[in-house]
Amino acid sequence: DAGVIQSPRHEVTEMGQEVTLRCKPISGHNSLFWYRQTMMRGLELLIYFNNNVPIDDSGMPEDRFSAKMPNASFSTLKIQPSEPRDSAVYFCASSLETSGHGELFFGEGSRLTVL
Amino acid sequence: AQKITQTQPGMFVQEKEAVTLDCTYDTSDPSYGLFWYKQPSSGEMIFLIYQGSYDQQNATEGRYSLNFQKARKSANLVISASQLGDSAMYFCAMREGTNFGNEKLTFGTGTRLTIIP
Repeated sequence: DAGVIQSPRHEVTEMGQEVTLRCKPISGHNSLFWYRQTMMRGLELLIYFNNNVPIDDSGMPEDRFSAKMPNASFSTLKIQPSEPRDSAVYFCASSLETSGHGELFFGEGSRLTVL
Repeated sequence: AQKITQTQPGMFVQEKEAVTLDCTYDTSDPSYGLFWYKQPSSGEMIFLIYQGSYDQQNATEGRYSLNFQKARKSANLVISASQLGDSAMYFCAMREGTNFGNEKLTFGTGTRLTIIP
């Protein structure tokens, strides 16, 4: 079974550039989460969707960040313009509340470096 | 206030010994779930074990068990007979409530476990 698929795995960009991270959740899962991991702040929830609808975006740092989920099989996290402090590993995760304990299944992450 | 507290930034344990990783949590919701995840050096997050607030017994999954002490609000992970492959970061996480769609997890800062041969 395919897990959560994220792309790109690694991204190096210059300050001011637009960055788009992509996520394909596990088929049939109805919740999708974007987390950011840094040494200083650990794992932070940025935003999550349920049935393609954003439920909680209170973790989105500022207006430079936006996320969309146009359908059940695809989500994007966009940073425009990017800044060096955005450098982190961005994880996408999905879950199905009626399956198991509703645990989150994580992708392998997208490591972003902003120079 | 921190919702999840992991007080051990790092631990070193001899191979084949048991290890306990501490986790305390803070919530006023009577319904919640506690999760442990493992993050090896390769970076992926691997779900290990779950404990629900109404579960009467401590959760077990193979070599992993959860020492759940509800009154103390602690949910320590116990790994028996540790192996070199257990070396990783371990995160405790909590989900509060049972509302439809309310499935976000709040994570602790993690404990880096190193198994010594």
